[in-house]
Amino acid sequence: DADVTQTPRNRITKTGKRIMLECSQTKGHDRMYWYRQDPGLGLRLIYYSFDVKDINKGEISDGYSVSRQAQAKFSLSLESAIPNQTALYFCATRGGITGNNEQFFGPGTRLTVL
Amino acid sequence: GEDVEQSLFLSVREGDSSVINCTYTDSSSTYLYWYKQEPGAGLQLLTYIFSNMDMKQDQRLTVLLNKKDKHLSLRIADTQTGDSAIYFCAERRSSGNTPLVFGKGTRLSVIA
Repeated sequence: DADVTQTPRNRITKTGKRIMLECSQTKGHDRMYWYRQDPGLGLRLIYYSFDVKDINKGEISDGYSVSRQAQAKFSLSLESAIPNQTALYFCATRGGITGNNEQFFGPGTRLTVL
Repeated sequence: GEDVEQSLFLSVREGDSSVINCTYTDSSSTYLYWYKQEPGAGLQLLTYIFSNMDMKQDQRLTVLLNKKDKHLSLRIADTQTGDSAIYFCAERRSSGNTPLVFGKGTRLSVIA
C-alpha cells in the first residue's frame, strides 16, 4: 500500500463550487504539505502543517484553506473554485529533524475547474 | 536571488550523459536533493547530498556540489529512455523548520 494517498485522483468541477482534496499518510510523520504544480512554474507551496495544532500559509494560500484532522490526515479545500485553480495538486509528508529529511509525495490530484 | 534556479528543458541522445544544473540560494543549506517525476506520477527522491560533501555517486548518478558558487549538478551516465522525466532540485535551508524549496524542474527528453 502507498505511504501517502490522495483522493480523488481526478476531479472536474465548475466555477464557484466548493472542493475538498484529501490526503492520508501511514508514515507517522508530523509534517504535511500541500503543493500545486503548473507547467513551467514547478511546485508552489500552498499550506503546511507541523502537527495537528499548527497550520502555516505557503506562498500561494489565497483561495485555499486546510484542515489537519489528525496526524495522518491533511485536507485542502477550495472555497469557491475558479478556473486558474486548475492544476495538479500534491500532498507531501516529512519526518523529524534527523536523517536526510526526505519529503514523500502522494500520487497527485488533477483538478480541472470549468 | 530567492529562487532555486534550473533550466526548463534538456534533450540528450540515448547512451549519452545528461547533466542537469541547479543554483540554490542559501549557502547554509544542510541538504540538497534531486527528485524525479515520471509522467502521471508524484515526485520521488532520486538522491541527496549533505552539505559537507563535494560529490556523491550512486550507480549511474553523480551529484556534484559547489558550495562556493551554490551550484548543484546531477549527472546521469548512459542515459536511457526510462530516464525521461522532470527532475527537481530542492534545498533544505538552514532556518529551522521551513519546508524544502524546489526549483521549477528540468524536463529531460531522451532521444532514441
